[in-house]
Amino acid sequence: RKEVEQDPGPFNVPEGATVAFNCTYSNSASQSFFWYRQDCRKEPKLLMSVYSSGNEDGRFTAQLNRASQYISLLIRDSKLSDSATYLCVVSSGYALNFGKGTSLLVTP
Amino acid sequence: GAVVSQHPSWVICKSGTSVKIECRSLDFQATTMFWYRQFPKQSLMLMATSNEGSKATYEQGVEKDKFLINHASLTLSTLTVTSAHPEDSSFYICSARGDGYTFGSGTRLTVV
Repeated sequence: RKEVEQDPGPFNVPEGATVAFNCTYSNSASQSFFWYRQDCRKEPKLLMSVYSSGNEDGRFTAQLNRASQYISLLIRDSKLSDSATYLCVVSSGYALNFGKGTSLLVTP
Repeated sequence: GAVVSQHPSWVICKSGTSVKIECRSLDFQATTMFWYRQFPKQSLMLMATSNEGSKATYEQGVEKDKFLINHASLTLSTLTVTSAHPEDSSFYICSARGDGYTFGSGTRLTVV
């Protein structure tokens, strides 16, 4: 079983839509959780860290459920520029473990 | 903010040759550098972890004699793909651990 699992998508949504991505992780000792964004043929860039209390950054909201080992990302009012692959990332305090990513395409 | 410079950004080489990829932390000291590989439509997979002044730790299934890692200073780590083969063609990316994790811009290696 992979350490970090995501639905690969693709998710095709119109501009302005709300879209949610889910992720599960297998290592209960994981300590840190992140969502990264990766554009085609580029390095991943940190979108936001994820905390148990949930956190919001503008149109992006992330949630963590440690009991279920489940992480989510909600994007409201999607923009064309949000089109990318969203990587769920988990760390046990060492290296980062990446999910395969969920592909999002926002269309006009 | 923290910057990691990775070179080259892309390279095409002949089968059997070796390729060196460099990652430099420009404004901070990176005691630990992680090397990842990403095949198309796959996740980034950790290949090895290098700590300055000591031998790298390789993940299971990664040949240490094929992927040579050197981390001789606090600002420079190198990955050398020796005797490259077409199946080594991939996107290689480094990540330095400072306050957080800072990624290089990646190296797209194509072996022909």
